[in-house]
Amino acid sequence: DAGITQSPRHKVTETGTPVTLRCHQTENHRYMYWYRQDPGHGLRLIHYSYGVKDTDKGEVSDGYSVSRSKTEDFLLTLESATSSQTSVYFCAIRPGQGGETQYFGPGTRLLVL
Amino acid sequence: QQQVKQSPQSLIVQKGGISIINCAYENTAFDYFPWYQQFPGKGPALLIAIRPDVSEKKEGRFTISFNKSAKQFSLHIMDSQPGDSATYFCAANSGNTPLVFGKGTRLSVIA
Repeated sequence: DAGITQSPRHKVTETGTPVTLRCHQTENHRYMYWYRQDPGHGLRLIHYSYGVKDTDKGEVSDGYSVSRSKTEDFLLTLESATSSQTSVYFCAIRPGQGGETQYFGPGTRLLVL
Repeated sequence: QQQVKQSPQSLIVQKGGISIINCAYENTAFDYFPWYQQFPGKGPALLIAIRPDVSEKKEGRFTISFNKSAKQFSLHIMDSQPGDSATYFCAANSGNTPLVFGKGTRLSVIA
């Protein structure tokens, strides 16, 4: 998984509770991404980061926030989880500087009851 | 403008046959077209990628065909094997923009 870990790998939570997912990389890559994967929708970009403290929204950013205080960690927060946020969440990284390939982590399966 | 349309949604192929998955894009600025393979419970992994300066790229049994004028590209899997059963995603981007993914094709190769 190209030096990417995600934690937790599985989580069950209740509607209205805050949830934070962590992506950690050991590659010192510049770009980091959060995607969600749902049946029939493929991979949809939530937020991404192009450097420490530099982030931008993706196509499905409502209800999510992110933070990147150091190169190796990219956090995804659901401030108040809803059932529609039940999904599998993938983190991805990319070197930048001409390296186009995005490498994906193993995913976090989140169930919001 | 950012969409990548992938077809079919699912595909069943006999062992030894050819699997073909198609993608179409709208944004003419796209200049990088990868295919990802995903097994159940795993993250997507890069399979093969192409840039628009070539019309075809082959790696083992996997070939990308690219038609710039039609804004289409396809993945061909020759001599398909049961171990190729997975979900395949096409994607595209330009420069440092995030990849835009198709919705995926679930391939089943049956003996």
